[in-house]
Amino acid sequence: ELKVEQNPLFLSMQEGKNYTIYCNYSTTSDRLYWYRQDPGKSLESLFVLLSNGAVKQEGRLMASLDTKARLSTLHITAAVHDLSATYFCAAVVVGSNYQLIWGAGTKLIIKP
Amino acid sequence: EAGVAQSPRYKIIEKRQSVAFWCNPISGHATLYWYQQILGQGPKLLIQFQNNGVVDDSQLPKDRFSAERLKGVDSTLKIQPAKLEDSAVYLCASTGTSGGPRETQYFGPGTRLLVL
Repeated sequence: ELKVEQNPLFLSMQEGKNYTIYCNYSTTSDRLYWYRQDPGKSLESLFVLLSNGAVKQEGRLMASLDTKARLSTLHITAAVHDLSATYFCAAVVVGSNYQLIWGAGTKLIIKP
Repeated sequence: EAGVAQSPRYKIIEKRQSVAFWCNPISGHATLYWYQQILGQGPKLLIQFQNNGVVDDSQLPKDRFSAERLKGVDSTLKIQPAKLEDSAVYLCASTGTSGGPRETQYFGPGTRLLVL
């Protein structure tokens, strides 16, 4: 059974700092999604990582996938207040109809 | 392009009452998902439709939850009777033709349900 774990679950940091959110998954999965959720809002897609070694970047966010380690990371560079949100990763269940199993989310607070 | 529409946005009911949620996916999207998101957790898939057929409903509590997508477009999710633990946000999402590996799930704004 595929399980997805994120850490940390809560992160408070200062503007301008760098940090990484980790997403581990328990069984084989060859695609990984990152989503952002603002308070009271729905989920917004950030990245889809489709293969081992995939790296995608958008602004101050960079996501990577290591399928051998069953690990994806979301790196934040020089954080700004607008990046405050909850970030979720989700992995696809192999052999399913692309069913996603979600992590519990990382609540990120960036202080000015 | 219009996004995924859901209604109502909020609903407060008493336990043992029934409630229904509606979802209209992005035009042309064949795959539709209903998720339950409990506060502080990630979404949990309840049911997945491909056109008007059910692909996966293994996590749907079928004794009280039902869902349909009769014409392969919009969908309704019903809870009858509701329990306190059903308090959550119910999210609808859709993807394109096959829900395949390059497909991103697009989410609606959700319906916040509070069961008293």
